[in-house]
Order: sequence, then C-alpha cells, then structure tokens
Amino acid sequence: GENVEQHPSTLSVQEGDSAVIKCTYSDSASNYFPWYKQELGKRPQLIIDIRSNVGEKKDQRIAVTLNKTAKHFSLHITETQPEDSAVYFCAAGETSYGKLTFGQGTILTVHP
Amino acid sequence: NAGVTQTPKFQVLKTGQSMTLQCAQDMNHNSMYWYRQDPGMGLRLIYYSASEGTTDKGEVPNGYNVSRLNKREFSLRLESAAPSQTSVYFCASTPTLQGFEAFFGQGTRLTVV
Repeated sequence: GENVEQHPSTLSVQEGDSAVIKCTYSDSASNYFPWYKQELGKRPQLIIDIRSNVGEKKDQRIAVTLNKTAKHFSLHITETQPEDSAVYFCAAGETSYGKLTFGQGTILTVHP
Repeated sequence: NAGVTQTPKFQVLKTGQSMTLQCAQDMNHNSMYWYRQDPGMGLRLIYYSASEGTTDKGEVPNGYNVSRLNKREFSLRLESAAPSQTSVYFCASTPTLQGFEAFFGQGTRLTVV
C-alpha cells in the first residue's frame, strides 16, 4: 500500500518568514495530494490540494509543488503569521480507489 | 448544514467494554471513512465505505467493526476495548470516489482504562 513520509516533524519560524514542509510517497498510482491544517483541538481542514497533472498550485500565501518523477510534494507558506501555527498533514491517494494515506504531521509554530 | 457529525465527543471505557461511535453526514457524500489519530503518527485509516452497502479494511482494522447503515450514517464499533485503542477518532466523508476533498467530523476522544 501507499506510504507517506513527512518532514520535518516540528518547524519553528519567525513571523514573516517562509515555511516549507516536504512529503514523499511510494505508490506511483497516487494522483491526488491534499494538505490539511489542524488547529489544536479541532478537526483537520483542507487548505490546498494538487492533482498529478499539475506541477504547482498557488492560493494566496500557500503553494504546493509536486514532482511525480521523484515522488515528492511540498507545501510552501510565505509571510507566515501567528495564526498559521497548527499541525499540517500531507496525504496521498488515488482518486478512483477512495483512500487517503496521511503523513505523520508537522507542528508549525510561528513566533510573533 | 451540519456537515459531518460524530457522537460522542468524549468517552471513557474500561478494558473489555464495548461501544459504538456514530457518524452522520448531510452532504449526500458517497464515501465515508474512520481514522484514528495518535501523537506522531498522523491519521491512520481504520475502515472505509466507498458507497452505501460496501465496507473495506484500512491500515489498522484489528479490533474494530463498521456498519454503513445507509448513505448518511457510518458507525464504528469496538467489541472489546483495549488500552491500545485510546486515541482520537475522526469520521470523514468525500463526495464521490472522483471527488476527493475529505470533510471531517469534530472527533471523538476515547480513553480506555
């Protein structure tokens, strides 16, 4: 089955800096790569996703890049703000099969 | 529009007791999932239901059973709870197998003593 590795497990940045979280996946059949944000005590919520026919996608301060050949994808957050502090999860899945495999999560802390 | 609703939010069980976690969605989604979340291990899939009437095992199914009661409801049952099942459980749903944004419930924090 699919295996998703996520790094780093913790990330501490100063407000205004950029943050990058990286994930690798194992199953070449995976074609959908979402990122979820989970605030303390809350449910995970989708922040951005990318499909395998696209190399990069951007939404305001958040961007995701995908390298299918190397089987890795990354989340980039620019101009970080304290409210970006949360746990971020990457995931990989194959859209016709209906399962998402999640990475282990990254605790992002943005210091004012 | 409530989205995905789980009950209960908190539960303490003694080892060997049984219980059922309930999940309902009102978004007319076809697929539903149960995940458990443990520190440092992300979200691990327990069982999922691609459509009404079907269920399949995920990554960590041992000790659990599920029922897709109808299109709206997907329950998770622990027949004989063990301390290793202490976790936060999330139910999720997606529109179809081809529409993949997962909407999560608010979670159930389960402690087995």
